[in-house]
Amino acid sequence: ELKVEQNPLFLSMQEGKNYTIYCNYSTTSDRLYWYRQDPGKSLESLFVLLSNGAVKQEGRLMASLDTKARLSTLHITAAVHDLSATYFCAVESGGGADGLTFGKGTHLIIQP
Amino acid sequence: DTGVTQSPTHLIKTRGQQVTLRCSPISGHKSVSWYQQVLGQGPQFIFQYYEKEERGRGNFPDRFSARQFPNYSSELNVNALLLGDSALYLCASSLKRGFSEQYFGPGTRLTVT
Repeated sequence: ELKVEQNPLFLSMQEGKNYTIYCNYSTTSDRLYWYRQDPGKSLESLFVLLSNGAVKQEGRLMASLDTKARLSTLHITAAVHDLSATYFCAVESGGGADGLTFGKGTHLIIQP
Repeated sequence: DTGVTQSPTHLIKTRGQQVTLRCSPISGHKSVSWYQQVLGQGPQFIFQYYEKEERGRGNFPDRFSARQFPNYSSELNVNALLLGDSALYLCASSLKRGFSEQYFGPGTRLTVT
């Protein structure tokens, strides 16, 4: 059974600081996804990582994938309050037939 | 351009009842996926439909079923509701089969009493 673990689960940080969220998964995966969810809202797709060594960047967020270590990271650079949200990673397996397995999410609070 | 729409927004049902949730994908999108998100947890994949056929199924009991119509809209049915079925049910659509470039709807909040 595929397991996806995120850490930390809660993170409070100050504006301007850098931090990294980690996503570990237990078995070989096809693709890895990152999503953002604001309180009481739906999910927003951030990144899809397709292969080992893949790196994607959008603004202050950068995601990377190491399939050998079964690890993805979401790095936040010079955090701003607007990035406060819950971030989920999700792993696709079984060629998609098994769907996506999500982590529990990282609740990120960025304080001025 | 209209995004993914879901109805109803909120729903309260009693244990043992049946419920139908509806999803309209973005125009031109042929794939619809359903997820269950219990409060404080990550979403769990329930089904994916592409071109009106089931293409993926998560680890949910047979009480959960879905279908996709010729206009690519979709319904999720849950029979014999349990208290544990209380959750936010999310629908997502994409152009192609799979999960890349999924756009999520606002969700239906189901409460089972």
